[in-house]
Amino acid sequence: NAGVTQTPKFRILKIGQSMTLQCAQDMNHNYMYWYRQDPGMGLKLIYYSVGAGITDKGEVPNGYNVSRSTTEDFPLRLELAAPSQTSVYFCASSSPGTGTEKLFFGSGTQLSVL
Amino acid sequence: AQKITQTQPGMFVQEKEAVTLDCTYDTSDPSYGLFWYKQPSSGEMIFLIYQGSYDQQNATEGRYSLNFQKARKSANLVISASQLGDSAMYFCAMREGNTNAGKSTFGDGTTLTVKP
Repeated sequence: NAGVTQTPKFRILKIGQSMTLQCAQDMNHNYMYWYRQDPGMGLKLIYYSVGAGITDKGEVPNGYNVSRSTTEDFPLRLELAAPSQTSVYFCASSSPGTGTEKLFFGSGTQLSVL
Repeated sequence: AQKITQTQPGMFVQEKEAVTLDCTYDTSDPSYGLFWYKQPSSGEMIFLIYQGSYDQQNATEGRYSLNFQKARKSANLVISASQLGDSAMYFCAMREGNTNAGKSTFGDGTTLTVKP
């Protein structure tokens, strides 16, 4: 059981470049999330989705876009990369009504913008 | 105001001893959930334990227990019989409400170092 799969694991971007971080889950979870973790800090929510076709902003959405065309996939798009977007990005999923709704995390993408 | 506060940036514990990691939270929602996650140096996030706001008893999972004091809005993690593999960063998180898309807010974490 793969769980939540994120690609790539590492990426270096130049200022102004764009890229898409991929995220897929095979647990049929309705809820999916993108978080970023800056060095020595906790996770901050960028965007989330409660189902295919439905997305909404989290705490730090500026500079990012998402889409959710299927239950399984939730890609995160960075347009015009800036040094402030240097961070580790985590995709996560959860299932409502399970009691805990704990987050299942991908292994993370370490992104550097130079 | 911070919704989740972890006041201990770093903690040290001797192997085989118990350690408590502090977490206080702030919410006006009567329904919420509290989580602890572990992040080893390899970077992955590992779920440890969950406490619901209506749960009468403190949650336990093996060597992990959650000391839930609702009136004080604290949810401290207790690790018993520490092992070298417990060295990691630990995050407290909160999910508010029942219809909030499961969104969790995280504290800034506590780095635990277990000494042999």
